[in-house]
Amino acid sequence: QQQVKQSPQSLIVQKGGISIINCAYENTAFDYFPWYQQFPGKGPALLIAIRPDVSEKKEGRFTISFNKSAKQFSLHIMDSQPGDSATYFCAASSEEDKIIFGKGTRLHILP
Amino acid sequence: KAGVTQTPRYLIKTRGQQVTLSCSPISGHRSVSWYQQTPGQGLQFLFEYFSETQRNKGNFPGRFSGRQFSNSRSEMNVSTLELGDSALYLCASSLASGRAGYEQYFGPGTRLTVT
Repeated sequence: QQQVKQSPQSLIVQKGGISIINCAYENTAFDYFPWYQQFPGKGPALLIAIRPDVSEKKEGRFTISFNKSAKQFSLHIMDSQPGDSATYFCAASSEEDKIIFGKGTRLHILP
Repeated sequence: KAGVTQTPRYLIKTRGQQVTLSCSPISGHRSVSWYQQTPGQGLQFLFEYFSETQRNKGNFPGRFSGRQFSNSRSEMNVSTLELGDSALYLCASSLASGRAGYEQYFGPGTRLTVT
C-alpha cells in the first residue's frame, strides 16, 4: 500500500512531441504529489506538485493531471526539448507518512 | 540564497569501516531528510530530522543513524559498511516538517563506494 508505481521505465520522444509519464498509488492518505527532475550528477529538483483537490496543474510546458478516483497521476511535458532529457520521479506523501518515490523514468528527447 | 550542500561529494571506504556524511540545509530550513539512491531500489527514505529530533524513519538497519544540530546542519553515519551500502546519499531540506514542509530541496549528494 505504500508503493508508488511509475511507468514507463524509459521513454524516447521526438523534439517537439509530448512526453507522458504515469504514476499510480494505493494509500488514500497521500495528499501531496510532487514530480522531481534529476540530471546526471545532480540531486533531484522539484518540478511541479499537486494536491488532490485539483485535477490539473500547469506550469509552463509541464502539466500534472490527477485522477483521485483512479488513484493515478501523470506528468505531461509539452513541446519536449533536448534539455528536458533527464530522469523524472513521481512521489507521494502525507502528514504522517514519509515521502514515497516512484522508480523513475529515464526520458530522452531526440534532437 | 545558497542551496543544500553536502560533503564530501565522493567517498571510497572499505567493508567494515564506518562513514559520516554531512549536510547543510538552505538557510532558514529546519527539516533535513536523508535518502539513499541506487539503480535497483531507486530513492529510498532513510530518516527525517526536525529541530534536532528524528521525526520519521525508513526501513533501514540500525547501522544507519543520523543527528541534527541546533543550526539545522545534519550528519548521517553508517557503521560496519557493507558492499550493498554503495549508493548516492542525498540530503533534502525543507522549511518545516509535515504538510508545511512538503517542498523539499535536494543537495547534489555524496557518492559512497564500498570496496
